[in-house]
Amino acid sequence: EAAVTQSPRNKVAVTGGKVTLSCNQTNNHNNMYWYRQDTGHGLRLIHYSYGAGSTEKGDIPDGYKASRPSQENFSLILELATPSQTSVYFCASGDASNQAPLFGEGTRLSVL
Amino acid sequence: QQQVRQSPQSLTVWEGETAILNCSYENSAFDYFPWYQQFPGEGPALLISILSVSDKKEDGRFTIFFNKREKKLSLHIADSQPGDSATYFCAASFPGGSNAKLTFGKGTKLSVKS
Repeated sequence: EAAVTQSPRNKVAVTGGKVTLSCNQTNNHNNMYWYRQDTGHGLRLIHYSYGAGSTEKGDIPDGYKASRPSQENFSLILELATPSQTSVYFCASGDASNQAPLFGEGTRLSVL
Repeated sequence: QQQVRQSPQSLTVWEGETAILNCSYENSAFDYFPWYQQFPGEGPALLISILSVSDKKEDGRFTIFFNKREKKLSLHIADSQPGDSATYFCAASFPGGSNAKLTFGKGTKLSVKS
């Protein structure tokens, strides 16, 4: 069964600290995405990747880095977390045969 | 610049009624429009989608109506059920399956009362 798994599901971080959000997919999809969801803004694309070793900037990349070390794994990195990055983060995967990406269950991040 | 707009922000209907959720877009190059359904505490899940070459897509109680000339589409949920209460997102992407980045609207929160 197609799956996108995010960890952790909940995270509390301190301002200025480093945060890494992880995503694993078992769908053998080439493309992976990181979105954040905030009330009143819907889902906004942060970074995405076309395959292992590639990362691209999305619409709101400032303050975030991404890493795609393998086909299955895609990480979102906040080097210096700020309270404005408090949000729910969603990872998704997709490929050319499936234009509608499959989403994970989300990571709720609070930066205090 | 918001490229995909949804209305209304929230909608309440009675069980059995048809709920109509609206979406409009600005970029005429968009050609693929999925609708996602999201329940609290879960990730968005694909509900139904349409390509711009079609003007209608049905899947059970869910129907998309698409008007390319006006750059508008709508999701109709017939015989609404309390279990349909969720937030619905309209999204759009450009041609080219390998570059299927979605642009999302802000969502419509649907409540179905029994």
